[in-house]
Amino acid sequence: GAGVSQSPSNKVTEKGKDVELRCDPISGHTALYWYRQSLGQGLEFLIYFQGNSAPDKSGLPSDRFSAERTGGSVSTLTIQRTQQEDSAVYLCASSLDLGTPTDTQYFGPGTRLTVL
Amino acid sequence: GNSVTQMEGPVTLSEEAFLTINCTYTATGYPSLFWYVQYPGEGLQLLLKATKADDKGSNKGFEATYRKETTSFHLEKGSVQVSDSAVYFCALSDHAGGTSYGKLTFGQGTILTVHP
Repeated sequence: GAGVSQSPSNKVTEKGKDVELRCDPISGHTALYWYRQSLGQGLEFLIYFQGNSAPDKSGLPSDRFSAERTGGSVSTLTIQRTQQEDSAVYLCASSLDLGTPTDTQYFGPGTRLTVL
Repeated sequence: GNSVTQMEGPVTLSEEAFLTINCTYTATGYPSLFWYVQYPGEGLQLLLKATKADDKGSNKGFEATYRKETTSFHLEKGSVQVSDSAVYFCALSDHAGGTSYGKLTFGQGTILTVHP
């Protein structure tokens, strides 16, 4: 595809349910990032993948959050037992090179999660 | 830790006015600096970047110069258009601390509205 895609675009769920958010990075991009955009916290880093490994998970807010990446491509962010404070837009980004600080990250359109 | 501070918004201008959005940063190493823009209903996209001190990034009439002495990366445009109405985010990624990847730290965002 031409850009980073994410699905679903919108997700409404009930408190306590589990949700899975998907990210398809640009083909050939080895670095993949998840961020969260919320009114109260702005844009926050969640996790970084280099290939299928996640050398930095420091931004995951709790152990209810987990993510994986398979085949060096698609990534899934899973939130278990969702809480209302998890409501946010979850953004995925990818970059071509080895995840160096000078790289340009290309962002997907995001998944808007609403927890009722 | 790293941080980015943007001027308080929102900013409202008339078409053809001069724009400045201030951005200052704190970083432990040698950051790369970015401006990202989010147009209404769209995802984040890179506007411009600078990877070392005194570099000037430019794109679509926007400019920003990496000023290490003042730890700033202010965004400017000489004549704004209605189509520039968007949310602008200043961000950095850092080389220091043994992490050589591109985790972005964002400012809080500045809403720009340009009236005809």
